[in-house]
This record gives sequence, structure tokens and C-alpha cells, in this order.
Amino acid sequence: TQLLEQSPQFLSIQEGENLTVYCNSSSVFSSLQWYRQEPGEGPVLLVTVVTGGEVKKLKRLTFQFGDARKDSSLHITAAQPGDTGLYLCAGRNAGGTSYGKLTFGQGTILTVHP
Amino acid sequence: DTGVSQDPRHKITKRGQNVTFRCDPISEHNRLYWYRQTLGQGPEFLTYFQNEAQLEKSRLLSDRFSAERPKGSFSTLEIQRTEQGDSAMYLCASQGQGATEVQNIQYFGAGTRLSVL
Repeated sequence: TQLLEQSPQFLSIQEGENLTVYCNSSSVFSSLQWYRQEPGEGPVLLVTVVTGGEVKKLKRLTFQFGDARKDSSLHITAAQPGDTGLYLCAGRNAGGTSYGKLTFGQGTILTVHP
Repeated sequence: DTGVSQDPRHKITKRGQNVTFRCDPISEHNRLYWYRQTLGQGPEFLTYFQNEAQLEKSRLLSDRFSAERPKGSFSTLEIQRTEQGDSAMYLCASQGQGATEVQNIQYFGAGTRLSVL
């Protein structure tokens, strides 16, 4: 069974602070996705990382995929109240009949106070 | 709007009743996934269709659960004899068949929130 451990589970910070969310597994995934989910809505994709060591930036968000493709991190610089939400990492299965199935971490609930 | 529609958005039912949810994926996508998400947790995989074929079912999908995708377009998820433990958000995701990982994005619907009283 593939598992993704996401930490921290809760994060409450002030506007302007930096933060990092971690996603770790003992399994190798073909890719890792980061999603953001608002209450009562489905997850919305932020980024997909594929290559070990890959770093992607999306404005104030920086995503990194570990060299062994087992772990990832999301770093937010100068957080804003609009960043508040549930952040989810998800690993994708590479082949066979499980192709495309996503294994999600538990999620990180981020609250950014003005 | 991701282009994936789920209906209904909310369903309240009494224990023991049957419920059915519908998912309409993005029209050109041949892959469709169902996930279940409980409060404060990440989604968990339930089942997966490629066209009309159901290729995998999670052990979370007990005998009371059945999913169909009869014409390879919309899908339904039925829960028979609902239990309080079935209360959750049921999410549907649609995916095309691109050549690369980056092209194979799963687009999620807004979900159906089920409350079993």
C-alpha cells in the first residue's frame, strides 16, 4: 500500500510569513501533484512535478520534487490571506490497471491571518 | 469551473436508504475516477473507469457500493443501505490520455456531500 505523509496538518500564520509543507513517502511515484481545495469544492491542481530534483515556481509558491521521487515540498513566500485553504499532495501510480490513480496525503489546513 | 459536473451537490438521507450520484466528465476524457473524502482528510481512491470498463476497485468499496459508466461518458455511484459511516464528500475526477504526465491532469468536480442521519 502506498502512503503519503503530509505535514504539518494545521498551519496558522500571520500575513507576510513564509511557510513550508512537506510530503513524504517510502514509495516512488511517476509524478507528484499539489492541489488546493476550498471548502465545499473539489481540489484544483496547482502543479505537477515529474523529474527527480525538479523545482517549479508559481508566483510566491515554490514546489520541489525529491531526487528519488519519494518526497516533495511546497514553500509559500510572504503568505497572504487569500492563500488560506486545504493543500493536498498526491502521488500518481505509474502503470498497470492502477494507471493514473492518485494517492493523497492527509492535507494541510493553512490559515493566514491579516 | 473545471468542466466536471457532479449532481447532486448535497444529499441528506436516512440510514438504510439507497442513494445515487452522477458525474459528467469532460467530454473527450476517457478516464474517470471516484474518490471519497472525509472531513479533514485527503481524498481516498474508490474506483476507476477507462471508457466503460471498470479497471480497479478499492477495498474501501464494499458490496453496498456499485459504480457504472455504461456508455463511457457519465458515471453513477450507488450506495445501498446507507450507513452513518458513509457520510463524506464523494468526488469525481476526469482525465484524458495525453502522452506525458503533465498532460494527464485529473480535473475534479465540486463533489457530492452525503450526510446519512
